[in-house]
Amino acid sequence: DTGVSQDPRHKITKRGQNVTFRCDPISEHNRLYWYRQTLGQGPEFLTYFQNEAQLEKSRLLSDRFSAERPKGSFSTLEIQRTEQGDSAMYLCASSYDRASTEAFFGQGTRLTVV
Amino acid sequence: QKEVEQNSGPLSVPEGAIASLNCTYSDRVSQSFFWYRQYSGKSPELIMSIYSNGDKEDGRFTAQLNKASQYVSLLIRDSQPSDSATYLCAVRRRDDKIIFGKGTRLHILP
Repeated sequence: DTGVSQDPRHKITKRGQNVTFRCDPISEHNRLYWYRQTLGQGPEFLTYFQNEAQLEKSRLLSDRFSAERPKGSFSTLEIQRTEQGDSAMYLCASSYDRASTEAFFGQGTRLTVV
Repeated sequence: QKEVEQNSGPLSVPEGAIASLNCTYSDRVSQSFFWYRQYSGKSPELIMSIYSNGDKEDGRFTAQLNKASQYVSLLIRDSQPSDSATYLCAVRRRDDKIIFGKGTRLHILP
């Protein structure tokens, strides 16, 4: 399978714990995007990477959120001191860095903070 | 003004009819436009992309782009119950950031 892969698919954590999600993009895709989606809403932009460089982080994100793409391949998204409001689907997408190219999503990681 | 706007619906269409979904965007220099389909509890699936003014057809789907009006639409012909889903409009800006609308819920009536 050469699609975008996300791990884990589901995560239940207690409030205050740290969680980390992983995304493996499509091979050779140098753009990688993270989104958060809650019920009834469209995907909300969190951050994106060009290879290992983080280009932008949403101003809506608190400092509890951090993302890395250390070798320009897989990426991790960490949430520290989770809150119930962090419960959502976290989506990763990847694409080439050309204008006329599509982005493809992984299956997502559903986070539930209890 | 939101960057990408869609009517949240629900839009109810009889089976076999044409479903018409609309989207407007605010960034005039946006370059690429996409429609994703999302079933409940699943991740978005790309169904159409369009990059230049006019129509683009793929099977039962037609995407339409009017850059002057900053308007994108998706037509689904011969609607099937399996088309019932949320349809997300997405816009790729010049900085390659991809922004999504809230989505339109489509319900095909058998």
